[in-house]
Amino acid sequence: GQQVMQIPQYQHVQEGEDFTTYCNSSTTLSNIQWYKQRPGGHPVFLIQLVKSGEVKKQKRLTFQFGEAKKNSSLHITATQTTDVGTYFCAGRIHEGNYQLIWGAGTKLIIKP
Amino acid sequence: NAGVMQNPRHLVRRRGQEARLRCSPMKGHSHVYWYRQLPEEGLKFMVYLQKENIIDESGMPKERFSAEFPKEGPSILRIQQVVRGDSAAYFCASSSRGLNTGELFFGEGSRLTVL
Repeated sequence: GQQVMQIPQYQHVQEGEDFTTYCNSSTTLSNIQWYKQRPGGHPVFLIQLVKSGEVKKQKRLTFQFGEAKKNSSLHITATQTTDVGTYFCAGRIHEGNYQLIWGAGTKLIIKP
Repeated sequence: NAGVMQNPRHLVRRRGQEARLRCSPMKGHSHVYWYRQLPEEGLKFMVYLQKENIIDESGMPKERFSAEFPKEGPSILRIQQVVRGDSAAYFCASSSRGLNTGELFFGEGSRLTVL
């Protein structure tokens, strides 16, 4: 079946270091969304990417959608303690399809 | 504008009992989704409902699980004869555009513990 692979599962960084998570789909995506879930919390929508090669920025967060619309990445520059949580990607296979195919998430851990 | 409201936030049941989880979508949203999340894992789609209709229940176990979204009142996820493996966080999400590219708004979840 359709899958979205997300790596790494965990990433430990020192505060101030960068963080990146990657998602790869087995099929071409119509669009991809990113969500953040704080420890003990619920997923919160961050952004949606639709166009091939699209790049969007939100302050220290940079989101990319690959040219083939099969992969995406989230990069955080100079991580802060408030960035701690799990980041999920979720892709739509077809336009107008309600089904989101979720990645397993990447947990960002800040080393003490 | 209240967000997605779920209750109870925490529920403890003994094996064999029933669990009922409620979800009120955001105002103006008529599309509701239920997800299950095990500790340290991702979100697993269970069911998608619109008012009075189940659109897709392909992610929901055929036995013991049911969901509804009546014309009036919240959406209900019902788990009969719970087993330990049902222990998880159950998240409800709503959207305004079910068949389009809308984002999902999640509730804070209901955490079920089966003893």
